[in-house]
Amino acid sequence: EAQVTQNPRYLITVTGKKLTVTCSQNMNHEYMSWYRQDPGLGLRQIYYSMNVEVTDKGDVPEGYKVSRKEKRNFPLILESPSPNQTSLYFCASSPDPTTSYEQYFGPGTRLTVT
Amino acid sequence: ILNVEQSPQSLHVQEGDSTNFTCSFPSSNFYALHWYRWETAKSPEALFVMTLNGDEKKKGRISATLNTKEGYSYLYIKGSQPEDSATYLCALPPLGGGGNKLTFGTGTQLKVEL
Repeated sequence: EAQVTQNPRYLITVTGKKLTVTCSQNMNHEYMSWYRQDPGLGLRQIYYSMNVEVTDKGDVPEGYKVSRKEKRNFPLILESPSPNQTSLYFCASSPDPTTSYEQYFGPGTRLTVT
Repeated sequence: ILNVEQSPQSLHVQEGDSTNFTCSFPSSNFYALHWYRWETAKSPEALFVMTLNGDEKKKGRISATLNTKEGYSYLYIKGSQPEDSATYLCALPPLGGGGNKLTFGTGTQLKVEL
């Protein structure tokens, strides 16, 4: 089944404890992206990647890191999480990086930082 | 930052009603517009990607139109059903295209009541 998977789905952590949210897609898509969803603010892009080893900042990259060592995986790293990073996170992929194609979203990761 | 506005913010309709809502965007240098449907506790799913002025797309009871000259798109739902209850998001890439990120509106939350 073609899909985007994220792990974990739910995470409660403490301020400053490094964490990684994994994202994997099995559709051989070139483009992958991370978004965060906060009430009243809509989906905001954190980072995106056009292909292996090619990543770039979205609109809200502060406090996050990403890597794209393999085409299928695009992990989101929070080196020192803070409470303002409490949010719902979505990973997405697309066959083409020109945004003329729809994006396929993962199931979401709900992160709480205390 | 690209300004994408959706209205209304929320909508309650009765089963069987037809409804529509709006996505507004800057009319210059249009490239593409995406519509997504996001049900509670699920991930956003693509409905349409529209690229041409005057474009009309249809999927079952849901259809969309696009007016790039005046900077808006309408999403229509004919004969609303309870399963249509969801948040409907529109998103656009940077003006002029060539960008690799989507800016989302805050969505229209639709609730269809029996």
